[in-house]
Amino acid sequence: NAGVTQTPKFQVLKTGQSMTLQCAQDMNHEYMSWYRQDPGMGLRLIHYSVGAGITDQGEVPNGYNVSRSTTEDFPLRLLSAAPSQTSVYFCASKGQGYGYTFGSGTRLTVV
Amino acid sequence: AQTVTQSQPEMSVQEAETVTLSCTYDTSESDYYLFWYKQPPSRQMILVIRQEAYKQQNATENRFSVNFQKAAKSFSLKISDSQLGDAAMYFCAYRSANYGQNFVFGPGTRLSVLP
Repeated sequence: NAGVTQTPKFQVLKTGQSMTLQCAQDMNHEYMSWYRQDPGMGLRLIHYSVGAGITDQGEVPNGYNVSRSTTEDFPLRLLSAAPSQTSVYFCASKGQGYGYTFGSGTRLTVV
Repeated sequence: AQTVTQSQPEMSVQEAETVTLSCTYDTSESDYYLFWYKQPPSRQMILVIRQEAYKQQNATENRFSVNFQKAAKSFSLKISDSQLGDAAMYFCAYRSANYGQNFVFGPGTRLSVLP
């Protein structure tokens, strides 16, 4: 089925560990983005990309790294996990339509 | 920078009744889009309804309708004949029509539907 696939769905990390959240879409969307969702704060933009080879920072980029080597994939890297990065992470893509297509989210806990 | 405010962290409604969720936003732009997204316990983000700022007519989708007041920068969501499946977190979101594709989300309103 066409859509945005995020892996893993759940993850527990120890402080200082690194990991990569995977995001892939098969709709040939140029735009992709990563958001984090925290209680009382809605979804906040971490990084986004308007096409392969192009990335930019959003509202809360510190502690995260991204790259976009292909149109399909947009991984999010946590360089050295901190408890403040405990959150639910969403990947989203957008084509020519008005709205986003969201992945199913990753619940990350940093202990 | 644009901001989106949802002043009701939690609301409840009786099944079959009507409820209105509030959203206000701040922008200096004249052309933009507004959205309501629903997030049930499954965590999935579901588009409920959208409104183009250049359209004066309020958008409707079955039991969902909006009251868009451009001058007041207000964008409320009305849910009629509430159903148990409407229980969810609801997010209001803004996107510029001319400057980028990024969304700005409000903090959300958690809606409970009482049987």
